[in-house]
Amino acid sequence: EPEVTQTPSHQVTQMGQEVILRCVPISNHLYFYWYRQILGQKVEFLVSFYNNEISEKSEIFDDQFSVERPDGSNFTLKIRSTKLEDSAMYFCASLRNPGSDYGYTFGSGTRLTVV
Amino acid sequence: DAKTTQPTSMDCAEGRAANLPCNHSTISGNEYVYWYRQIHSQGPQYIIHGLKNNETNEMASLIITEDRKSSTLILPHATLRDTAVYYCIVRAANFGNEKLTFGTGTRLTIIP
Repeated sequence: EPEVTQTPSHQVTQMGQEVILRCVPISNHLYFYWYRQILGQKVEFLVSFYNNEISEKSEIFDDQFSVERPDGSNFTLKIRSTKLEDSAMYFCASLRNPGSDYGYTFGSGTRLTVV
Repeated sequence: DAKTTQPTSMDCAEGRAANLPCNHSTISGNEYVYWYRQIHSQGPQYIIHGLKNNETNEMASLIITEDRKSSTLILPHATLRDTAVYYCIVRAANFGNEKLTFGTGTRLTIIP
């Protein structure tokens, strides 16, 4: 069964440092997403991406965050200057098309710890 | 998106059917009911979705009331691996960039 792959599984970084979280969506999917989950809290939407541009972003997704799909396979989330409150699980997801019978496919996540 | 209401937690004996209810009284005509689950801290996993007819796949069955104001997810023979948080989410399915809005879900514990 096709999977969404995320790397690394766990990243520890110092406050103020830049981090890049990487995702390889399913190859024939067209819509891409990042969600995050702070420990013990809800899964929160960050951003959606389609046709090489951001479709929608949440209030969380401020100027410190950016996404890109540089080579047609990888989908990355960059946090320019990490803060303690950015510590969370970050999930990438992809979707083949609207009304897909199989919903979103999520990756297993990257646990980001900012110290 | 329409708001959903789910019980905070439920227990179910292993091998029995687990029935998870969801209320979505403000659902619109073009909104589907989706169910996802999250096992421990893994990524959410799609289970099933439906508009107004009952649906069944290899994982579960989805029963939607005629007025579409509530639904029930049925895991027919629950196993210990079904212990997870189950999310009922209402969204329009005709726009690919329509985000999922997760609530707190139902924490289902399967009892040996």
